[in-house]
Amino acid sequence: GAVVSQHPSWVICKSGTSVKIECRSLDFQATTMFWYRQFPKQSLMLMATSNEGSKATYEQGVEKDKFLINHASLTLSTLTVTSAHPEDSSFYICSAYDYSGANVLTFGAGSRLTVL
Amino acid sequence: RKEVEQDPGPFNVPEGATVAFNCTYSNSASQSFFWYRQDCRKEPKLLMSVYSSGNEDGRFTAQLNRASQYISLLIRDSKLSDSATYLCVVNESGGSYIPTFGRGTSLIVHP
Repeated sequence: GAVVSQHPSWVICKSGTSVKIECRSLDFQATTMFWYRQFPKQSLMLMATSNEGSKATYEQGVEKDKFLINHASLTLSTLTVTSAHPEDSSFYICSAYDYSGANVLTFGAGSRLTVL
Repeated sequence: RKEVEQDPGPFNVPEGATVAFNCTYSNSASQSFFWYRQDCRKEPKLLMSVYSSGNEDGRFTAQLNRASQYISLLIRDSKLSDSATYLCVVNESGGSYIPTFGRGTSLIVHP
């Protein structure tokens, strides 16, 4: 089945630094990828829809200048958390559809960000 | 944004029990439906797709009721390992699939 690889799985950084998270579709092309954030014991919150070759679509309340999304190829989308602060500490998960397959949404394993 | 509603629970059941969750959706044009399972601190993983005719996979049965706009998940003979959060996902269609998640239903199976 479709596989989505997400890296890094966890990262600890100092406040004010930027962190990049990568999401790759390993065996299919993903024209669209989704980025989510999940705080402890809360539901998945869609942050943005990443579109290959064009600008991402951000959900209301998500700062596009803080959460930079780049989807430069059909297999790679990146999320950069700029000038991270402790309140950005969360579980970030990407997902993508394999439209050539069963149209099932496949998730990356997630990236746990801790900002000190 | 169209909504997908789930009872967050938790549903606290003994081993061997049968438990059922429902998920309602507001967009009548929704195209496809899924149940995902999410364990603590892990990513969601597909449990099963939900077909119009209903489908069964071992102890799990999923059904779709388009008229009333809900899907259901039935778990028979609950195991301790079934403890997790069950997420309902509904795909709208606007040229490409747009997934909408319920907030999840927490299931705790105890000895």
